[in-house]
Amino acid sequence: QVTLKESGPVLVKPTETLTLTCTVSGFSLSDARMGVTWIRQPPGKALEWLAHIFSNDEKSYSTSLKSRLTISKDTSKSQVVLSMTNMDPVDTATYFCARSYCTSGSCYVRYFDYWGQGTLVTVSS
Amino acid sequence: SYELTQPPSVSVSPGQIASITCSGDKLGDKYAYWYQQKAGQSPVLVIYQDSKRPSGIPERFSGSNSGHTATLTISGTQAMDEADYYCQTWDSSTVVFGGGTKLTVL
Repeated sequence: QVTLKESGPVLVKPTETLTLTCTVSGFSLSDARMGVTWIRQPPGKALEWLAHIFSNDEKSYSTSLKSRLTISKDTSKSQVVLSMTNMDPVDTATYFCARSYCTSGSCYVRYFDYWGQGTLVTVSS
Repeated sequence: SYELTQPPSVSVSPGQIASITCSGDKLGDKYAYWYQQKAGQSPVLVIYQDSKRPSGIPERFSGSNSGHTATLTISGTQAMDEADYYCQTWDSSTVVFGGGTKLTVL
């Protein structure tokens, strides 16, 4: 079955770089229909999209956070890595990874059908 | 950048119809997706491609999208439907989420 699991530090200091790993199983990151996205949710607040990586290694980023984010994947390890630089207490949030699935060759319809459990990252000195 | 706007909260009595709207510029020209998030859990896809239900989602969930507004409708709302609901679309290769709507069943 399809699973995604986020891993990384639970606590980071201000100005540090956060590196999170999403380990997937049950599908291949090289499958043209698949992609992986990162989303975060500050406590009590809304979902915020961060970045997406497509099967062809194309990447897209949130406009507001683009300068701080890097997404990459290692298909052989079934892992997607997100890095966020210059962490600040306002970046405290639960970080989710999710699989995107497209229903046709054109991938005009693409949705997030499987999500990880999320990992809470606290930014504090 | 593209924005989606949702009402912060909607209340409904058990057994009644709940409607949650999501507004965006010419949203009807894009596809809308809806996610349900219960307290302490990860989001779950309940509607994709405007009006399609994934396997396992009850028939009482339905969706529509036209003009500038997408709507999630829950018919015969049950207490278990109390949750936060988020709309989402793609703007080119970027993902946009609405601010979420808290559905209260009382």
